[in-house]
Amino acid sequence: AQRVTQPEKLLSVFKGAPVELKCNYSYSGSPELFWYVQYSRQRLQLLLRHISRESIKGFTADLNKGETSFHLKKPFAQEEDSAMYYCALIDDYKLSFGAGTTVTVRA
Amino acid sequence: DTGVSQDPRHKITKRGQNVTFRCDPISEHNRLYWYRQTLGQGPEFLTYFQNEAQLEKSRLLSDRFSAERPKGSFSTLEIQRTEQGDSAMYLCASSPILTGGLYGYTFGSGTRLTVV
Repeated sequence: AQRVTQPEKLLSVFKGAPVELKCNYSYSGSPELFWYVQYSRQRLQLLLRHISRESIKGFTADLNKGETSFHLKKPFAQEEDSAMYYCALIDDYKLSFGAGTTVTVRA
Repeated sequence: DTGVSQDPRHKITKRGQNVTFRCDPISEHNRLYWYRQTLGQGPEFLTYFQNEAQLEKSRLLSDRFSAERPKGSFSTLEIQRTEQGDSAMYLCASSPILTGGLYGYTFGSGTRLTVV
């Protein structure tokens, strides 16, 4: 069965510092991975998709099949990046989520 | 279309009562999903529909849980004989068939259930 692990529950960084959120997965096949974000008092929303190889709000994520990882990175964190971040993997129709990482960016 | 709507936003019920939640997906989305989220955890898949057909329901937590999508539009999630362990946020999401979830789901704001 597929599984997504986010080892850090909490992450605190200073504004302007780099931030990296770790995500590891287990999946028998070619995974399709996502990062979702939930800002305070807002609904869960898609941040970026592995298949798009895009950068959204300065965030990037690289799939490393050898290490089965999909870490989320941003070189310079901003206060508005404070949120809950979930890594997710899709298997046919079903998204499986990690437990999430709460990011706090301090001024 | 304002996205995925869920009603009510909050529900407080006494243990043993039945509750029903409603989800209105984005109108052109054929797939509808229900998730449950407890404190400190990511959303947990419960069930999903493609149009009016419930294609996966084995993850419903017990036979007290049931879901319907009678006309392929809105969906309801019912919990019978609620227990305190049912207290959680219940999320609904939708996506189009053609892309499935590959372009992401659109989530509603959720219904927060508290069983006292």
